[in-house]
Amino acid sequence: AQTVTQSQPEMSVQEAETVTLSCTYDTSESDYYLFWYKQPPSRQMILVIRQEAYKQQNATENRFSVNFQKAAKSFSLKISDSQLGDAAMYFCAYIKHNDMRFGAGTRLTVKP
Amino acid sequence: NAGVTQTPKFRILKIGQSMTLQCTQDMNHNYMYWYRQDPGMGLKLIYYSVGAGITDKGEVPNGYNVSRSTTEDFPLRLELAAPSQTSVYFCASSYSSVRGTPETQYFGPGTRLLVL
Repeated sequence: AQTVTQSQPEMSVQEAETVTLSCTYDTSESDYYLFWYKQPPSRQMILVIRQEAYKQQNATENRFSVNFQKAAKSFSLKISDSQLGDAAMYFCAYIKHNDMRFGAGTRLTVKP
Repeated sequence: NAGVTQTPKFRILKIGQSMTLQCTQDMNHNYMYWYRQDPGMGLKLIYYSVGAGITDKGEVPNGYNVSRSTTEDFPLRLELAAPSQTSVYFCASSYSSVRGTPETQYFGPGTRLLVL
């Protein structure tokens, strides 16, 4: 069975600094999607960024970027210039056809 | 364009009662999903559907049933509620890529269920 592992239950970052959240996954597939979702206290799941495994270029969305290492099965999220509004739970997700798995999450705290 | 809507927002059930969680999407997505999120945990897939009339089990289907009679609606049925089903339930939908893989999932706001 495929698994998604987020090894950091909690992370903390100073406002305006950079933080990296880790995610590793297990799969025998070559074509799949990876996502980072943000869940603030409202519980709404908000898409942060997505990566298609067949694309070698790392995805970026404004202050958010990923480091996708396909051979190592690693998919980390970098948040630059952290803002107070970035404080939330962050979930890494793997999707391939009928296999959809989420990691246990990383709680990010942003200190003013 | 409301996206994915879920009702109710919160419900308390007694052990053994039944209920249906409603989910509707207006994006004409072919894929729809039900997840549960237990406290401090990630999401686990209960059931999913790749189109009207087609449903399949996810990782944790026991105690639940689904149906998909239209593209828009994907209700989740709990027949005999148990305390272990206390959780937050999320419905989501997505379209599939030209290669057939589901793409970005759009989530509803969640339903908090408490079984006592």
